[in-house]
This record gives sequence, structure tokens and C-alpha cells, in this order.
Amino acid sequence: AQSVTQLGSHVSVSEGALVLLRCNYSSSVPPYLFWYVQYPNQGLQLLLKYTSAATLVKGINGFEAEFKKSETSFHLTKPSAHMSDAAEYFCAVSGFAGSNYKLTFGKGTLLTVNP
Amino acid sequence: DAGVTQSPTHLIKTRGQQVTLRCSPKSGHDTVSWYQQALGQGPQFIFQYYEEEERQRGNFPDRFSGHQYPNYSSELNVNALLLGDSALYLCASRARRGRSSYNEQFFGPGTRLTVL
Repeated sequence: AQSVTQLGSHVSVSEGALVLLRCNYSSSVPPYLFWYVQYPNQGLQLLLKYTSAATLVKGINGFEAEFKKSETSFHLTKPSAHMSDAAEYFCAVSGFAGSNYKLTFGKGTLLTVNP
Repeated sequence: DAGVTQSPTHLIKTRGQQVTLRCSPKSGHDTVSWYQQALGQGPQFIFQYYEEEERQRGNFPDRFSGHQYPNYSSELNVNALLLGDSALYLCASRARRGRSSYNEQFFGPGTRLTVL
């Protein structure tokens, strides 16, 4: 069984400040891990993914995440927040082919960026 | 190259009615999954279709059923609608085996279902 816990349902930062969104996962098999962003009234857009290659993953819009197996974490960071980063962010885990790559999502973290 | 498309965008139904939602996958994709996203929650996996068969199912009742056509498009059917079925329904498609993005799911914009 797999699960994802996102710590903090709401994170507020100032424009230009560091963004840190936390994600911890539980998986009985080596996981694939994903971060998605969702803007109001839209679907999900993939920011980045970890698929057992490099542990530091770079994504779109300046975001990156580091896979830490010992901490079962996959936190999302961005050095400098922009107003356009305000959105809901979801961390998700999937297994390998045997799971048909079904995604299990966390409950999401709403990021607000203050001017 | 069109991404994943879904129709309709919005839908309003009353309790007890039936609804059909439609999804066309991204070009080059042959696997379609459906997710339900209740307000303020993360998406929950409903089921996945590949080669016109349901391959995996989440914890949803039999009122939720689906279909996949030879052109890989898919439908989600919900019978005997309940108030609790109100949600954003997301379709996601995955590339054919062997492609570099095989392990990645691409999402459509969703269908917002409101049950009154």
C-alpha cells in the first residue's frame, strides 16, 4: 500500500522568499514520486518527477525536489517565489508496472504568495 | 498536439440521475485513468482502462463504471447519483509502452459535476 502526507495544508510566503512544500511518502516498493500543480478551475500540471535516477530533480518554473530515501521525503523547493506560483500543489506516489502506475495523492498544499 | 480533453466542462444533475463523462487521451497514449477530486481534497483513483478493459480499480462502488473504445477514448458513467458524488472528475492518459514518458500521467482539465 502507498500513501502520501503533505505537511501543511496552507503555506504563505512573500514574493522573492524561499518556497518549501513538504511531502512524506510510504511505499512497500521503490516509488516513483511526482509533484503536480493545480491552478483554480484547471486540471493538474506535472512540475517534476523522480523515477529512480538522480535524487535531485529539477522541474519546470524553477522548482526542484530532492528524494531522500532515509527520510521517506520528497520536499518541493523554489529559491524565490513569484506571484504566479500561487496555486495548489499535490505530491503523488506510484509504484512500478505492477501497480499500473496508479497515482496516490496527498491532500494538497495551497501556496499563497504575498506582494 | 492536443493534450487530454474532457467533456463536458460542467454538469449539473439531481440525485438519482445518471451521468456520462467523456475523455480523449493525448496523442500516442493508450491508457486512461479516472480520478475524483472532492473539494479541498487530493484526487482519488477510480479506475484505469487499457486495451478496452478495466485493469485496476480504486475503492469506489459499482455505481461507477467505465468504458474504453478502440480509439482509446474513454467514458466514466455514474448511476444513482448521490450528493457526495459532487466533485471534479479528472481523466489522465499514459503513453504507450516503450515511450520515455511511459511512467507519467497527463491530466485533462476535468469535468465539474454538481449533484443537487
